[in-house]
Amino acid sequence: ILNVEQSPQSLHVQEGDSTNFTCSFPSSNFYALHWYRWETAKSPEALFVMTLNGDEKKKGRISATLNTKEGYSYLYIKGSQPEDSATYLCAFINVEYGNKLVFGAGTILRVKS
Amino acid sequence: DGGITQSPKYLFRKEGQNVTLSCEQNLNHDAMYWYRQDPGQGLRLIYYSQIVNDFQKGDIAEGYSVSREKKESFPLTVTSAQKNPTAFYLCASSNYAGARTGELFFGEGSRLTVL
Repeated sequence: ILNVEQSPQSLHVQEGDSTNFTCSFPSSNFYALHWYRWETAKSPEALFVMTLNGDEKKKGRISATLNTKEGYSYLYIKGSQPEDSATYLCAFINVEYGNKLVFGAGTILRVKS
Repeated sequence: DGGITQSPKYLFRKEGQNVTLSCEQNLNHDAMYWYRQDPGQGLRLIYYSQIVNDFQKGDIAEGYSVSREKKESFPLTVTSAQKNPTAFYLCASSNYAGARTGELFFGEGSRLTVL
């Protein structure tokens, strides 16, 4: 089974701080990378689906970059707000592994006001 | 509202009993998935279905069974053969078979506790 590593495991920041987390995955046979936000007691929701090396996507204060050659993606949150508190999951699809997402364990973000 | 409904939200089971978790979607998605979450681990795929009347094993299918008789429904049965069934179970669906670039839409999950 292929492995996806997310770091850090958890993060506590103050309101207004900017923060970023990393998702690392095997670079060979890459097909797509997904980012999801999972708030407590809710369903995980998709943030981004990225497929091309060098992709940069943005949604409000959250953005993500993708480097498929070295096997990593960064998620950035600018000016964190308490409502950004959630677990952020990344998942990737490898061509050899079929059409199945492999998830990382997530990064837990807590933003204090 | 369109979405995925999982039930029950909480379920307690005695050892040796089979239980079935329900998953219904009204998004008209072809593909549906069952994941299991354990503390400190990523979501792990149990079973998935890309079309009605067809499904495939995921990474941890042992002790589980599914059916896909209708497009909207993908119930998961946790059998007594599952050695460690206490976990949080998430159902998901996607518009593109295999979720290659289509995002997953998730339910709110079911927490199963074996007493």
